[in-house]
Amino acid sequence: NAGVTQTPKFQVLKTGQSMTLQCAQDMNHNSMYWYRQDPGMGLRLIYYSASEGTTDKGEVPNGYNVSRLNKREFSLRLESAAPSQTSVYFCASSEVVGPGNTIYFGEGSWLTVV
Amino acid sequence: DAKTTQPPSMDCAEGRAANLPCNHSTISGNEYVYWYRQIHSQGPQYIIHGLKNNETNEMASLIITEDRKSSTLILPHATLRDTAVYYCIVRVSGYSTLTFGKGTMLLVSP
Repeated sequence: NAGVTQTPKFQVLKTGQSMTLQCAQDMNHNSMYWYRQDPGMGLRLIYYSASEGTTDKGEVPNGYNVSRLNKREFSLRLESAAPSQTSVYFCASSEVVGPGNTIYFGEGSWLTVV
Repeated sequence: DAKTTQPPSMDCAEGRAANLPCNHSTISGNEYVYWYRQIHSQGPQYIIHGLKNNETNEMASLIITEDRKSSTLILPHATLRDTAVYYCIVRVSGYSTLTFGKGTMLLVSP
């Protein structure tokens, strides 16, 4: 009963380092998403993938790249980490993009950039 | 997506019903109302959603006014584990995702 699984759960990076957050879902969903959440704020969409082979920018895409590796997996890459990217990152998935479809979230990845 | 307005915080006694309001006066006919909650340090959890009619599931009930300009999430018998931030979201048709605001912090006390 895994749902949406993210790795790693915690990571500390130095400014300028790169890293990739991994996400996998086992619900056979077509659409996947990456959000970030900063203290005291709601979630903001970074990128999403409506279906395998497509990706689109969300509200805050600068400094990130994504790859929809296959239907199950959607990774988020920070090429040159900055302190402003310190945040909690949530991966999510849904059957399709659009109203009436429920989005399910992973447990989050805590990233600190020093 | 239509904007939503929620109170920043609410209190509820354990065992009582928690009624969380949400205003969405600019909602359009093809927008759904969604409710999620986020317990500290966890990912958001889906609760319920609706378009026009009232909805009920094992977690909660959603009451949408006839003009659809506001809604209320009802947790019928709140427990301490219901302490969380509750987000009310409206969502347009087509290719769109969820836009989270700051939500309502519900504190359930013994």
